Formats: sequence, structure tokens, C-alpha cells
Amino acid sequence: GENVEQHPSTLSVQEGDSAVIKCTYSDSASNYFPWYKQELGKGPQLIIDIRSNVGEKKDQRIAVTLNKTAKHFSLHITETQPEDSAVYFCAASVNSGGYQKVTFGTGTKLQVIP
Amino acid sequence: NAGVTQTPKFQVLKTGQSMTLQCAQDMNHNSMYWYRQDPGMGLRLIYYSASEGTTDKGEVPNGYNVSRLNKREFSLRLESAAPSQTSVYFCASSVTAYYGYTFGSGTRLTVV
Repeated sequence: GENVEQHPSTLSVQEGDSAVIKCTYSDSASNYFPWYKQELGKGPQLIIDIRSNVGEKKDQRIAVTLNKTAKHFSLHITETQPEDSAVYFCAASVNSGGYQKVTFGTGTKLQVIP
Repeated sequence: NAGVTQTPKFQVLKTGQSMTLQCAQDMNHNSMYWYRQDPGMGLRLIYYSASEGTTDKGEVPNGYNVSRLNKREFSLRLESAAPSQTSVYFCASSVTAYYGYTFGSGTRLTVV
């Protein structure tokens, strides 16, 4: 089955710096890669996603890149702000027996230091 | 714009007790899911319902049952709670599994 590894598990950056979170996946058939942000005491919230036919996607300060050859994808946050502090999860989705199976990474706790 | 609503938010059970976690979505999504979240283990799928009238096991289904009552509602039942089921439970929904999920705010369950 699919295996998704996420690094680092914790990340501290100064406000205004950039943050990068990386994920690798094992199933080359994976075709959809969402990223979620989870604030303390809340459910995960979809912040950006990318499909396998696209190499990069950007939404304001957030961008995601996908390298299908190397089977890895990354989340980039520029000009970080204290409200970016949260746990971020990557996920990889693959069609399995007619169902789109989603596997989550184990999360990265991002701390933005004012 | 309620999205996904879960009840209750907190619950303490004694070992062997039963309970049902409720979930409802108002986005006309076809697919619904139940996940549990434990420290260091990310999100693990318990059961899912790809469409109204269907349910299937996920990664960790033992000790749980589900009911897709209608397109809006998807409940999770613990028939005989065990301490190993202490966790935070999230319900989620999506148009289909090929789209991102909308998660509820979670139920924090403690089994003593």
C-alpha cells in the first residue's frame, strides 16, 4: 500500500522567513496531493492541493511543488506570520479498486517566532 | 455555512459502554469518512462511505460500526468501548475522494 513520509516533524522559523515541508510517497500511481493545516483544538483544513498533471501551484504565500519522477512534493510558505503556526499534514491519493484511497503523512508542527 | 458538524465535542466512557458519534454535512457531498487521530500516528481511516447507501472498512475498523443514514449523516458507533479507543475522532466529507476533505471540529473521547 501507499506510504507517505513527511519531514521535518517540527520546524521553527522567524517571522518573515520561509518554511518548507517535504513529503515522499511510494505509489507512482498517486494522482492527487492535498495539504491540510490543523490549528490547536480544531479539525484539519484544506489549504492547497495539486494534481499529478501539474508541477507547481501557488496561492498567495503558499505554494506546492510536485516531482513525480522522484515521488516527492513540498509545501512552501513565504513571509511566515505567527498565525501560520499550526500542524501541517500532507496526503497522497491513489485510485484503488474504484475508490480514491488517501494516505496522510504524520504531520509537521510549525512554529513561527515573532 | 456550517460545513461538517460533529457531536458531541467531548465524551468520557467507561470500558464496555457504548456510544454513537454523530456527523452531518450540509454541502451535498457524496463521500463521508471517519478518522481517528492519535499522537505521532497522523490520521487513520476507520470507515468511509463513498456514496449514500455504501460503507466500507478503512485502515482500523475493529471495534467500530457505521451507518450512512442519508446523504447528510454518517454515524460512528462504539459497541463496547476499550481504553485503546481513547482518541480524537474526526468526521470529514468530500465531493468525491478525488477532492479535498472538509473536516469537522472533532470529538475527544476518553475511555477509562
